[in-house]
Amino acid sequence: DARVTQTPRHKVTEMGQEVTMRCQPILGHNTVFWYRQTMMQGLELLAYFRNRAPLDDSGMPKDRFSAEMPDATLATLKIQPSEPRDSAVYFCASGLREPTYEQYFGPGTRLTVT
Amino acid sequence: ELKVEQNPLFLSMQEGKNYTIYCNYSTTSDRLYWYRQDPGKSLESLFVLLSNGAVKQEGRLMASLDTKARLSTLHITAAVHDLSATYFCAVGVSNTGKLIFGQGTTLQVKP
Repeated sequence: DARVTQTPRHKVTEMGQEVTMRCQPILGHNTVFWYRQTMMQGLELLAYFRNRAPLDDSGMPKDRFSAEMPDATLATLKIQPSEPRDSAVYFCASGLREPTYEQYFGPGTRLTVT
Repeated sequence: ELKVEQNPLFLSMQEGKNYTIYCNYSTTSDRLYWYRQDPGKSLESLFVLLSNGAVKQEGRLMASLDTKARLSTLHITAAVHDLSATYFCAVGVSNTGKLIFGQGTTLQVKP
């Protein structure tokens, strides 16, 4: 049963610390997405990749967030320095562009910044 | 800019009743998705609708798409408690793989 995996599942950190979240997409999927979910803003797309190349990161605060895909089996989202307003659940999703563009979501990383 | 609006945002209903959740979007798209999210969990794909007039059914849920009206509906038939969850529609941005999500509709089914 192929699934998207994310680590860590929970992270509590202090303001100013660096946070790295990792995602392993489903094998063979060529698109990867990072979303942030909060009560106030709902689900927001932060960045997405196709064939490991970043296509759109317009939803990401550029000064503190960065997203990379070092290889086809790993996507990372980094926050440096973290702030309390970054507290949210971060989801990774992967998919195939054709034919349906359907996205499959990982379990999420719940981040709390104190 | 593509905007997606769902209504209602909260729905409390009795078991056995029928109801419909609406998803309106602001610009042309030919891809619409419905997801379910249980509290504290991830999003689970329910339906993928890829053409005007598409209708899909799974159990007590039926989704449809009218691209001309820019409207999708998720119809619940004879609701049961297990359907209690938050339901999201998401619309594909043309020529990209991006999805724009609605605010979500929290469904509470009471015995």
